[in-house]
Amino acid sequence: QVQLQESGPGLLKPSETLSLTCTVSGGSISSYYWSWIRQPPGKGLEWIGFIYFTGTTDYNPSLKSRVTISVDTSKNQFSLKLSSVTAADTAEYYCASAMAGRAEFLNHWGQGTLVTVSS
Amino acid sequence: SSELTQDPAVSVALGQTVRITCQGDSLRSHYASWYQQKPGQAPKLVIYGNDRRPSGIPDRFSGSSSGNTASLTITGSQAEDEADYYCNSRDSSATHVVFGGGTKLTVL
Repeated sequence: QVQLQESGPGLLKPSETLSLTCTVSGGSISSYYWSWIRQPPGKGLEWIGFIYFTGTTDYNPSLKSRVTISVDTSKNQFSLKLSSVTAADTAEYYCASAMAGRAEFLNHWGQGTLVTVSS
Repeated sequence: SSELTQDPAVSVALGQTVRITCQGDSLRSHYASWYQQKPGQAPKLVIYGNDRRPSGIPDRFSGSSSGNTASLTITGSQAEDEADYYCNSRDSSATHVVFGGGTKLTVL
């Protein structure tokens, strides 16, 4: 059973860069799609982007200019960087894996990590 | 705004059947998936590929899709089904993933 765990700073100041890592256990990162999703407090889910194990990426157009997702197969991890954060980026951030060769079939999720942006 | 539209809230009496819908043009050509999210928990996949159920999901959950509308049906709703439900799919460009705004299900 694949398990995912997010890690990274929980508090950032405006204009800083958010950096989160998702560690994958119980399976190899050298397959499937790996995604980041966020959820502002009390609001709905927002897809941030994915990376395929080959390194191919795709990002939400509304965030594309600020987002980078990368993968480290040697550590079985993938990472999210979001630059120039503002209070609007305050959210629970989830990493997830997809099944059946479809990036949208998100069958395994991390528990989430809350990132707060505040001066 | 999301390219997938869901009713914000739906209620159902205990033991009855409820259908939660998701509308969007991209659903005419792309699969819908459904996620259940309870307070303080990560979302959980309950239906993928329009109508397929992951292992471990009770068979009272079923999915369907027709035209621009995908549906999640819970037959014989249980108290533990009270949760937020989100649909997702690809957007109209077929490249990006998109979520619906979510439906809060209340079991009365």
